[in-house]
Amino acid sequence: QKEVEQNSGPLSVPEGAIASLNCTYSDRGSQSFFWYRQYSGKSPELIMSIYSNGDKEDGRFTAQLNKASQYVSLLIRDSQPSDSATYLCAVRPGGGNKLTFGTGTQLKVEL
Amino acid sequence: DTEVTQTPKHLVMGMTNKKSLKCEQHMGHRAMYWYKQKAKKPPELMFVYSYEKLSINESVPSRFSPECPNSSLLNLHLHALQPEDSALYLCASSPGTANTGELFFGEGSRLTVL
Repeated sequence: QKEVEQNSGPLSVPEGAIASLNCTYSDRGSQSFFWYRQYSGKSPELIMSIYSNGDKEDGRFTAQLNKASQYVSLLIRDSQPSDSATYLCAVRPGGGNKLTFGTGTQLKVEL
Repeated sequence: DTEVTQTPKHLVMGMTNKKSLKCEQHMGHRAMYWYKQKAKKPPELMFVYSYEKLSINESVPSRFSPECPNSSLLNLHLHALQPEDSALYLCASSPGTANTGELFFGEGSRLTVL
């Protein structure tokens, strides 16, 4: 079982819709969870971090964490073509200082 | 604009060459990282420096040699590389110790080994 799993996509959504990106992780002791956005040919950029169960909102982005289900998600409201990118879920396992990345989900926002 | 600067942006080298990748940050971050990323794959951790000391080496071959001259600079010395080492090399930094996931990446150095 992979430590951090994401559907590779592509996930296609129409402009203005809500994009929902999902991630599951295997280490139940994981403490910290992150979403990075990576445009093609560019480096990853941190867009959200979440540390406790529930929702965390920042502009059009909402991160959701459910530690009991070992599940973290990213919702993007009012999706724009500029949101088209690969979204990497990253998890810091409990007791460790190495960040583990998922393989990423490619999001395509269509006009 | 990224606050982590990497040079060069592109590098082509032969298998017998010696070259270096450089990274600089002026955010006062105390942890710096080297990652390697292949196309359509996530970044793979290579090395972590925390307070200028090497704290993690992910069993990277000795043909990659990291160096942290001071808290703002990170180098990756390359020698006798193989074509399969061609990849995007990403430098990142984080505030405080290396015990965090909030990484600030540079734009990367795209390496091609012939």
